[in-house]
Amino acid sequence: GNSVTQMEGPVTLSEEAFLTINCTYTATGYPSLFWYVQYPGEGLQLLLKATKADDKGSNKGFEATYRKETTSFHLEKGSVQVSDSAVYFCALSDRGSSNTGKLIFGQGTTLQVKP
Amino acid sequence: NAGVTQTPKFQVLKTGQSMTLQCAQDMNHEYMSWYRQDPGMGLRLIHYSVGAGITDQGEVPNGYNVSRSTTEDFPLRLLSAAPSQTSVYFCASSASRDRATIYGYTFGSGTRLTVV
Repeated sequence: GNSVTQMEGPVTLSEEAFLTINCTYTATGYPSLFWYVQYPGEGLQLLLKATKADDKGSNKGFEATYRKETTSFHLEKGSVQVSDSAVYFCALSDRGSSNTGKLIFGQGTTLQVKP
Repeated sequence: NAGVTQTPKFQVLKTGQSMTLQCAQDMNHEYMSWYRQDPGMGLRLIHYSVGAGITDQGEVPNGYNVSRSTTEDFPLRLLSAAPSQTSVYFCASSASRDRATIYGYTFGSGTRLTVV
């Protein structure tokens, strides 16, 4: 079945460091791919998305490219800030036969940015 | 502000008690869903609805009931709470099921439930 695998955390970086959070997926068909961010004590917010192969999603300095050949959707940011400290979830849409509208989430990666 | 509103934010229940988690959205979304979030497991779909009067099960429906009498509201009921239902619950909505799979959801802020 469809699945998402994220790198385990926590990831600890200094302010202004380069960020990469790896995400790979297994899916049939042509899912959309998403990154959601969850700040402490809050719900999930859509950070960026890509709906087809080679699309690049971007928002707030974060980027991710939909790579069908490597089944990956890695999240990157050139210079992180303390305010980026949060849990990041990679997800894909399940467009299989179940047709539930479900998103399949990775287990989440905690990012801690130190001043 | 438009969005998804969940109440309560926190709740402690004793084993065997019942309660209803409330979810309301003001975006006229047809598709609504409930997820639970557990450490190391991401989010898992409990129940979903594609419109008023229509609900269906997700991947972990046991112990939960839902109904959808209006477009705006999608409450989640725990009939007899168990410690295994300790979790953070999120309600999410989208304009439609198809748009959910293409563009994702709007999430509520969550309800943290502890069953003792």
